[in-house]
Amino acid sequence: SQQGEEDPQALSIQEGENATMNCSYKTSINNLQWYRQNSGRGLVHLILIRSNEREKHSGRLRVTLDTSKKSSSLLITASRAADTASYFCATEGIDDKIIFGKGTRLHILP
Amino acid sequence: DAGITQSPRHKVTETGTPVTLRCHQTENHRYMYWYRQDPGHGLRLIHYSYGVKDTDKGEVSDGYSVSRSKTEDFLLTLESATSSQTSVYFCAISHSGTEAFFGQGTRLTVV
Repeated sequence: SQQGEEDPQALSIQEGENATMNCSYKTSINNLQWYRQNSGRGLVHLILIRSNEREKHSGRLRVTLDTSKKSSSLLITASRAADTASYFCATEGIDDKIIFGKGTRLHILP
Repeated sequence: DAGITQSPRHKVTETGTPVTLRCHQTENHRYMYWYRQDPGHGLRLIHYSYGVKDTDKGEVSDGYSVSRSKTEDFLLTLESATSSQTSVYFCAISHSGTEAFFGQGTRLTVV
């Protein structure tokens, strides 16, 4: 089974609202990463948070990590139409494998 | 963009034929990965490599083999293609503890 599981599977919000996606995982990790994928394209890295970090910011992105609960969240503030995409969390385990979840499809409504 | 190239980008093949996909990098990254992406499953790790001639299985390795004879190249082979291997295949590269960079994908159709 996959390491990361995102929640929700799909999310539709109005432009300008904040979008929150959650990720849970099962085993010990070195770091957790978030990626975006526009339809039919390759994945683009957004942000990486290490296992000893609790929160990280990058522009309109905020990521939290709770290793005691084995969970992470990605917050996108002030959403834009261009944020419409699929978002994936991925965990790098102590064996250096990078395992992805099934993703959250985000749709920003005009 | 990171120097990572997948070839071919599209391929249609018949059931039972062998198929090899190539991933080539110019970044000297130690780790290379092969994933498949299917609707409802996200990306699933097939095999990965942590150095020349060092490879390990991922989540869905049955029916696939890999080889890495040079740092730059990571080959994925479907020994005898089946319809269930119709998918989009992505290669990725990384250093340990850093983000992965992805190729543009190979769309494989097995008929």
